[in-house]
Amino acid sequence: KAGVTQTPRYLIKTRGQQVTLSCSPISGHRSVSWYQQTPGQGLQFLFEYFSETQRNKGNFPGRFSGRQFSNSRSEMNVSTLELGDSALYLCASSSGAAVSRYTEAFFGQGTRLTVV
Amino acid sequence: DQQVKQNSPSLSVQEGRISILNCDYTNSMFDYFLWYKKYPAEGPTFLISISSIKDKNEDGRFTVFLNKSAKHLSLHIVPSQPGDSAVYFCAIMEGGSEKLVFGKGTKLTVNP
Repeated sequence: KAGVTQTPRYLIKTRGQQVTLSCSPISGHRSVSWYQQTPGQGLQFLFEYFSETQRNKGNFPGRFSGRQFSNSRSEMNVSTLELGDSALYLCASSSGAAVSRYTEAFFGQGTRLTVV
Repeated sequence: DQQVKQNSPSLSVQEGRISILNCDYTNSMFDYFLWYKKYPAEGPTFLISISSIKDKNEDGRFTVFLNKSAKHLSLHIVPSQPGDSAVYFCAIMEGGSEKLVFGKGTKLTVNP
């Protein structure tokens, strides 16, 4: 069973540009969450999508957005990039099923974004 | 305010000994707790979890203990191996969502 796939692995962008990151979840998983990891703040939740709907959102500005497609693949977009957006962006997939409250999230390898 | 706290940024142990990683949380309503292991430039890898109806869960060398009255979680690794050297994060899954709230992590170094 393939794991969570994130593309690209590395990106370098200039301040003011925008960027789109992609995540393909584990087959059969319907929930995709995005996290930002920085040395100072650790792992912080950005948002979660389930069945193409944003189900939960973290405390990030509106420049951070996402979407999910019918095949559960997800993209996140950051517009008007700032130097502080440099981070490892991680995608996690889980079944998201309501059957069991207790489910694990599986992470991709992440996209390392550097804003210069 | 941090909901999940890992107060030790680093821990160093000898190979073969026990590693104990600790985590405190603030909200007594939290009911599902997880531990992840992370190597540099990789995503976190799920290790073990525990729900609030239990006080212990074991999987091979890894055991998680939950003390609900103290709002304290710990991960025991025994025996520790050099390959266990990584950053360990505890996390809680917020009720009604898939959102994980992570601690800041503890860097474990297991010396041969």
